[in-house]
Amino acid sequence: DQQVKQNSPSLSVQEGRISILNCDYTNSMFDYFLWYKKYPAEGPTFLISISSIKDKNEDGRFTVFLNKSAKHLSLHIVPSQPGDSAVYFCAASADDYKLSFGAGTTVTVRA
Amino acid sequence: DAGVTQSPTHLIKTRGQQVTLRCSPISGHKSVSWYQQVLGQGPQFIFQYYEKEERGRGNFPDRFSARQFPNYSSELNVNALLLGDSALYLCASSFVWADTQYFGPGTRLTVL
Repeated sequence: DQQVKQNSPSLSVQEGRISILNCDYTNSMFDYFLWYKKYPAEGPTFLISISSIKDKNEDGRFTVFLNKSAKHLSLHIVPSQPGDSAVYFCAASADDYKLSFGAGTTVTVRA
Repeated sequence: DAGVTQSPTHLIKTRGQQVTLRCSPISGHKSVSWYQQVLGQGPQFIFQYYEKEERGRGNFPDRFSARQFPNYSSELNVNALLLGDSALYLCASSFVWADTQYFGPGTRLTVL
């Protein structure tokens, strides 16, 4: 069963604007959440994470928001740059640190 | 510092054969995890090893096995290959098991 869902398979955004990627989860035991970025022919690259004790974490252009009551998290990229064009995966784990991934969202940043 | 390395990059096998994939973690990392990513899906957890002990196993048949060596490198073995085993196999390492995982480039396995 899919415990982490990314319902938008693709997102197109203009350079300089905000990209918002969404992720929903069903397992209430998840307490650690991550976003990875993946280019073709490469492995996923860690972007940013958040633990369940926080509702926001920021790192440069990337901000992750966590809404535990809604079991929802989102990744904001501001401003979007052409190099941000990639597949973004949301992942979650409980205290066993086995990652459960969503199916990914392909982001295309238009010049 | 070198990241996670995996070998080989690509592999073609036929049904029923056996395959061994290799992973070297980031220097100093003691935990290795394996994931399978089929086309159009996110990676799925197969195994996690820490200090040469299996810490966890995902929902995969017994045809899948792994081990971790004293230098913390790891091997993933798949026996009696099926067409459905065709996928990108990703290795991730972390300093300890309860830490952020960093991925290698993967091994692309094609089963004909």
